[in-house]
Amino acid sequence: DAGVIQSPRHEVTEMGQEVTLRCKPISGHDYLFWYRQTMMRGLELLIYFNNNVPIDDSGMPEDRFSAKMPNASFSTLKIQPSEPRDSAVYFCASSSSGTTNQPQHFGDGTRLSIL
Amino acid sequence: AQSVAQPEDQVNVAEGNPLTVKCTYSVSGNPYLFWYVQYPNRGLQFLLKYITGDNLVKGSYGFEAEFNKSQTSFHLKKPSALVSDSALYFCAVRDFTNAGKSTFGDGTTLTVKP
Repeated sequence: DAGVIQSPRHEVTEMGQEVTLRCKPISGHDYLFWYRQTMMRGLELLIYFNNNVPIDDSGMPEDRFSAKMPNASFSTLKIQPSEPRDSAVYFCASSSSGTTNQPQHFGDGTRLSIL
Repeated sequence: AQSVAQPEDQVNVAEGNPLTVKCTYSVSGNPYLFWYVQYPNRGLQFLLKYITGDNLVKGSYGFEAEFNKSQTSFHLKKPSALVSDSALYFCAVRDFTNAGKSTFGDGTTLTVKP
């Protein structure tokens, strides 16, 4: 079990640039979650998918943020244009709905710095 | 709506002493409760869960948690703390009717001093 894989681990870019974060969930998991973690706001759920379909995107901060899941093994979170306040650690997590008591499995995150 | 409260931002204990990290929850139905731990520069890792049955749940690294339905609490405990237990701990709740989304608390930083 390779776990949830996120790339890149670190990203530093200038304000206004497009940023794309990538996630490979655990094989067989049908839920995928994107979170953002900051000191000020803690852990925030941005969006989650079930069977590649977005279920709840109410946590996406604004239209600059978009997420896709083109297939069961890949998801992206895109910020365009990026702003300094988007600096945070972004986590992807996956879980199985085989039974509703399954925990989420988190990747090690992407540390994003917008200059 | 479901919610979780971790009333303490920080818990400090001496190595070898027992530790408790508090969590209270609110859900409309039967709760599924989870504890996760986060070490620096890592993602959250699952520690233990309560679904049904025995109110005392045992998990990884010697941690356990006690479910109390009347007090709507799910406190994390360990009889003897280790310095290596120092980390950020999150409580999470999922409603029985919501197969996907969990609600996380704000986290409690545990510091174990030698």
